[in-house]
This record gives sequence, structure tokens and C-alpha cells, in this order.
Amino acid sequence: DAKTTQPPSMDCAEGRAANLPCNHSTISGNEYVYWYRQIHSQGPQYIIHGLKNNETNEMASLIITEDRKSSTLILPHATLRDTAVYYCIVRVADSGYALNFGKGTSLLVTP
Amino acid sequence: ETGVTQSPTHLIKTRGQQVTLRCSSQSGHNTVSWYQQALGQGPQFIFQYYREEENGRGNFPPRFSGLQFPNYSSELNVNALELDDSALYLCASSLVRRRDTGEQFFGPGTRLTVL
Repeated sequence: DAKTTQPPSMDCAEGRAANLPCNHSTISGNEYVYWYRQIHSQGPQYIIHGLKNNETNEMASLIITEDRKSSTLILPHATLRDTAVYYCIVRVADSGYALNFGKGTSLLVTP
Repeated sequence: ETGVTQSPTHLIKTRGQQVTLRCSSQSGHNTVSWYQQALGQGPQFIFQYYREEENGRGNFPPRFSGLQFPNYSSELNVNALELDDSALYLCASSLVRRRDTGEQFFGPGTRLTVL
């Protein structure tokens, strides 16, 4: 699986959009971008994934650049409960294989 | 829908002992994965079981072993515990099939402390 690079930490004011970047310059054509988050003392939670088109669900939006070398996870209206470590993972779909977590981005949402 | 559960929540062992951690997968899932998460690090893949067979393994020694049962519950066994085995152990279940979405459902973890 391709390697990802994320900033170690970010801050966001409550109610504002949180934009979390991820670089994956060595991504290959059959690899998807996945985002998980881990709230303190809990197991990781799936957020969203995509191949090349932008994706949106009830939790977040995923914007993938045209060259697929980077992406941004957007939490449109961050709340205090969104404070967590966010992991960007690149992975081949249909594989059923392991998730390769890096260190992620620690997002702190402040009042 | 029943989520992924793990037991115990916390455990303290001494170096050299053996430990068994348990996981109950989400209903209908046929795959279980185990991860080790050291303090301040992301989870590291230990191994995965699919239909009771080991289906992939990370960079962990053979003293880490597992089982998956017909009801898709699972165990992680660690022999000859070392101080560096102190970590949060996470179990994740998924339904692996054609067009796998990659969504894995994680339990809350077992916090193991080795003294």
C-alpha cells in the first residue's frame, strides 16, 4: 500500500469547517483513500472512502485531487465531539487486507 | 445490530506469562483482524482470520497467535510476554466479499499492561 503523510496536529474552532489534508503521492490506480478516526479511549471508526471522485456522507466530505496525489477530509461544522486522531489510509479495495495506520492528525476542536 | 465487543477491558500480567484476549465480531461478519496500538502510535496489524484460517500476518513473532471460531468470535494469544507487549489490543470485524468496501468495525480494545 502507498504511504501517506499527514500533519501531526491541527486546531479548529467549534462550528467551523475542519479541513484535514493528506498526501499520497505514490498512490496507484487501484488504491482507494480511506479515512478513519479514533476518539480517545475508543477503537477507530470508519468515516469515508473514495477512489477518484469526491464523496460525501453524513459524517464528512472527501475531496481527491485530479492527479490523486493528495486529498482533504472536510468536517463541515466541527463539534467538540469531533476531537480525535484522524487517519488517512491508502489501500487496494477487494483485498480484505489489513489497514496500515500511520500516526494520523490529532484534531482539537475548541469552543 | 450488535457491535464488536472485547474482553477483558483491562489486564495486568507479568513478564513471561501468557495471555488470551477475546473478541466477539459484529453479527454477520466473516473476518476478524487484530491490531496492537502502543501509546502515541497508530494501530499496527497483527493478523487476520477469514473463515477460521489465518489470512494475513503483520510483522509480529510466532508467540502471537490466534483463533477464529465458527460463530466468528476470536481469540488473540500472546506467549512469553515482554514489557514491550504493553499496549491497547484492538479487534476489528468486517464482511469480506466481492467489492469489499474496506470498512472495518473496531471494538473498544483491551488495555494490556506487562510488569
